Amino acid sequence: SQQGEEDPQALSIQEGENATMNCSYKTSINNLQWYRQNSGRGLVHLILIRSNEREKHSGRLRVTLDTSKKSSSLLITASRAADTASYFCATVLSGNTPLVFGKGTRLSVIA
Amino acid sequence: DVKVTQSSRYLVKRTGEKVFLECVQDMDHENMFWYRQDPGLGLRLIYFSYDVKMKEKGDIPEGYSVSREKKERFSLILESASTNQTSMYLCASSSSRQGPGNTIYFGEGSWLTVV
Repeated sequence: SQQGEEDPQALSIQEGENATMNCSYKTSINNLQWYRQNSGRGLVHLILIRSNEREKHSGRLRVTLDTSKKSSSLLITASRAADTASYFCATVLSGNTPLVFGKGTRLSVIA
Repeated sequence: DVKVTQSSRYLVKRTGEKVFLECVQDMDHENMFWYRQDPGLGLRLIYFSYDVKMKEKGDIPEGYSVSREKKERFSLILESASTNQTSMYLCASSSSRQGPGNTIYFGEGSWLTVV
């Protein structure tokens, strides 16, 4: 069961530009998380935003959450070639159930 | 730092073989998970466990089983490997203490090819 759906599927930008990825989900959530995956590696947690929060920052990352639209966005400012990776949103549907991941956005940052 | 270690990074197995994928975490986490990842399909949950000797089916358990005899170790078993099980397998763990929707920590993945 896929809960989150990232958009776009792929994104290519120049170094220094901002990258925005979106995630839409279907049911009420407790929190929404973003993960990053370098090619061929495991996923790494980036940031968690709770359902009662609207915006959160961590370094060059900015996450927003709109529970009325059931959507979230991840903004990476001043992107670097090292930001090239796939980015996934993940949500918990209810209770203590496992995280459900979207299919990811593949970001390419060209130097 | 949390460390989730998957015993094999790359494996090649023959159709019909029994395959064990081992995963160990060093943070005393209660929860452990096995996902598989395929191009265009994202991550799909195979099995998970919230305690020793406990297991729950995920979205795609068919053809797999798991074992959790010790808290730190969660094994994924392919009883009779088939070519459609060629994939990247990701193990993960998380703590129950933080409540629902905990951050999970992934291993580096195991690339399994079944020929």
